[in-house]
Amino acid sequence: ETGVTQTPRHLVMGMTNKKSLKCEQHLGHNAMYWYKQSAKKPLELMFVYNFKEQTENNSVPSRFSPECPNSSHLFLHLHTLQPEDSALYLCASSQDPGARDQPQHFGDGTRLSIL
Amino acid sequence: AQSVAQPEDQVNVAEGNPLTVKCTYSVSGNPYLFWYVQYPNRGLQFLLKYITGDNLVKGSYGFEAEFNKSQTSFHLKKPSALVSDSALYFCAVRELGGGYQKVTFGTGTKLQVIP
Repeated sequence: ETGVTQTPRHLVMGMTNKKSLKCEQHLGHNAMYWYKQSAKKPLELMFVYNFKEQTENNSVPSRFSPECPNSSHLFLHLHTLQPEDSALYLCASSQDPGARDQPQHFGDGTRLSIL
Repeated sequence: AQSVAQPEDQVNVAEGNPLTVKCTYSVSGNPYLFWYVQYPNRGLQFLLKYITGDNLVKGSYGFEAEFNKSQTSFHLKKPSALVSDSALYFCAVRELGGGYQKVTFGTGTKLQVIP
């Protein structure tokens, strides 16, 4: 149990569908992250939220829309995705966004498949 | 810009033998270095970190890592490999930027421990 829970674990959707990924952390952390993990590629940072405020959008296409209603919850809204968006989407959190020595805690991810 | 390189896509080692997973880094200032492990169908799990101090860092599950500033390396080691160590290992470096923490991950090394 990592303290970071992601739902659903698997998602299959068509290119015209709208769906959302959910992440919840029970660690009292103040920073949350979305990553994309594709085979044979480095982990790609997508978004960073510190104290509910977005501080990083790493040139992510607008078909991905994040939402952070509070420090414990993070969503990724998906709309009109492309086949190349099929990947494992990982959520992570860390205690203090200002501290470089703190590791990130990851959820188990949502495996997304676009038909 | 910071970067991390894991030169080996896969490392095979016999059970009971010592293992090494290589990582080299490039940063402009002092590095904050991390190792994470990912088991199948799971998220990344923190193993150990180097911040400052002793060059040999000990972490979870009997793993350790040696920081070498002159060679800009941070290799992961274990004296005696277990079959259960088979997983994907990621090296990461952290820098300070824009008031939040951005982590750069390597491409990962698959460790296969052969019974």
